[in-house]
Parts: sequence; C-alpha cells; structure tokens
Amino acid sequence: DQQVKQNSPSLSVQEGRISILNCDYTNSMFDYFLWYKKYPAEGPTFLISISSIKDKNEDGRFTVFLNKSAKHLSLHIVPSQPGDSAVYFCAAGGSGTYKYIFGTGTRLKVLA
Amino acid sequence: GAGVSQTPSNKVTEKGKYVELRCDPISGHTALYWYRQSLGQGPEFLIYFQGTGAADDSGLPNDRFFAVRPEGSVSTLKIQRTERGDSAVYLCASSLNPGLNTEAFFGQGTRLTVV
Repeated sequence: DQQVKQNSPSLSVQEGRISILNCDYTNSMFDYFLWYKKYPAEGPTFLISISSIKDKNEDGRFTVFLNKSAKHLSLHIVPSQPGDSAVYFCAAGGSGTYKYIFGTGTRLKVLA
Repeated sequence: GAGVSQTPSNKVTEKGKYVELRCDPISGHTALYWYRQSLGQGPEFLIYFQGTGAADDSGLPNDRFFAVRPEGSVSTLKIQRTERGDSAVYLCASSLNPGLNTEAFFGQGTRLTVV
C-alpha cells in the first residue's frame, strides 16, 4: 500500500514558467512533509519542508502548499530554471517516528 | 569529508554471496539512516540508528539484512546470502539530531547488483 503517491512520473516545463509537482498521502498520522531533489548518481538533497500546522512554506523560488483535508501537497517552482531539472521526491513522516515514507518521484525537465 | 560518504559506489556480487556496505556520516551527526531505492521507486526506509543503537529496524526486509554502528559514527550494512531481488541503490543519511524536522543529508549511495 503506497502511503505517499506521486502520480505524475514526469513533467516538462518551459524555462521561466511555473513548475507544479503534486503529492498525495493516505496516512492522517503524517504531520511533517518534505521535498527532496535528486540528480543522477547523487543522493537526494533536501529542498523544503512543511509542518502540518502550516499550509504554506516559502523559500526563494520554492513554495510548498499543504491541504490537510485533501491529504495533498504541492511544490511550486517559479520561475523554473534548467538547473531545476531533476527527480523530485515527496516524503512524509509522523510524530514519534524517525523514518520518512517517500513517493516514487517526479522527473522534472525544464526546457531552455 | 564535508558530506556523507558511502563505499563502495558500485558493487557487483554473485547470488548467495555476503556483502558489506559502508557509510561515513557527517562528523558529529548522531542520527544515521539506511534506505534502499529500487528502480523506479522512491527510497524505502530500512533502519535508523541513534548513536550506537538501532532505534528502529522495522524496515529491514528479513534476517539476511543486518546493520551495525559500533562507535556511533561509521555504519555497515551487511547482507547475507544475497538474492537478485536485493539489487538496488542503498542510501545512507545522517542528521545532527533525531527527528523529522532535522534535515537529513544523504550520501551518493551504493549501487548493488546481484548477478
């Protein structure tokens, strides 16, 4: 049973436009969510996080939105740059645990 | 080094053999995690260490998998009687403190191929 789902395996966006990556989860006990970015042959690198007490967190070009009632979060990148081309993983965890549950990833390609 | 280091970066082994994968976390990081990423999937949790002890090993798939961290720094993931289904990228991560809101830094992974 996939508790964290990223239903779009890939996404292509023109440089300068907005990229929106989506993530759905099923476990209502999750209260902390993260996005990781992964380049080929490298480990995932932390991008941005959000706690369940918030519905938005912003860091530069990256904004994460959380809709708890819909069990949905999204990552917005604006403006998108070619260097943003990577695989993006959504991850979730619950209080009292120390493990993240990852989605299957979305491959973003930003076209110059 | 500045980041999490994993060795070897690639390992090819024959079915049935024993392998060890090593992780050097960032100096001073007390929390250490092992994840496994199969093709087309996201990283899957295996085990978490706080200091020298395994605080959560609920993700280890079976008793062929074992991990140690004897001095609270370097960790070794050990796989006995390897099977072709064990082929994956094994990722190690460390964080300064335990807890989901503490950023975890990942190594580049060890790609294990069982033939």
